[in-house]
Amino acid sequence: QKEVEQNSGPLSVPEGAIASLNCTYSDRGSQSFFWYRQYSGKSPELIMSIYSNGDKEDGRFTAQLNKASQYVSLLIRDSQPSDSATYLCALSKGGYQKVTFGTGTKLQVIP
Amino acid sequence: SQTIHQWPATLVQPVGSPLSLECTVEGTSNPNLYWYRQAAGRGLQLLFYSVGIGQISSEVPQNLSASRPQDRQFILSSKKLLLSDSGFYLCAIGASYNEQFFGPGTRLTVL
Repeated sequence: QKEVEQNSGPLSVPEGAIASLNCTYSDRGSQSFFWYRQYSGKSPELIMSIYSNGDKEDGRFTAQLNKASQYVSLLIRDSQPSDSATYLCALSKGGYQKVTFGTGTKLQVIP
Repeated sequence: SQTIHQWPATLVQPVGSPLSLECTVEGTSNPNLYWYRQAAGRGLQLLFYSVGIGQISSEVPQNLSASRPQDRQFILSSKKLLLSDSGFYLCAIGASYNEQFFGPGTRLTVL
């Protein structure tokens, strides 16, 4: 079982819709969870961090964490074509532990 | 704010040639630094990390090595490149709560 699992996609959503990206993980000791956005040919950019169960909102982005079910999700409201990218889920056990990345979900927002 | 520089941006090298990639950071002191590789269609693979000058931890045994000669300089090297070394090499800096921020990356093609 992979430490971090994501559907590779592509996930296609129309402009203005809500995009829902999901990630499951295997290590119950994981404490810190991250979502990165990576445009084609560019380096990953941190867009959300979440550390406790529940929702965390930042602008059009909402991260959701459910440690009991071992999943973390990212919702993008009012999706824009500029949101088209690959979204990487990542996690760590806290402290200065290493960060483990998923392989990413490719999102396509159709105008 | 922290800034990460990587060079070169792109590199094409023949099999068996040496490699030296450089990462320098500004705006912080004594950072945790990381080298990742992202191969085509694959996830981010942690190669090395460093918590201080001269301190290097290797995550994956291979023909690569890393050095940290100065507090804000991290170097990735190889004596003889393999075809499988092709990929997108990313330097990252660690921040609070295990957040990591990436530099612009070096795209390496080994022919």
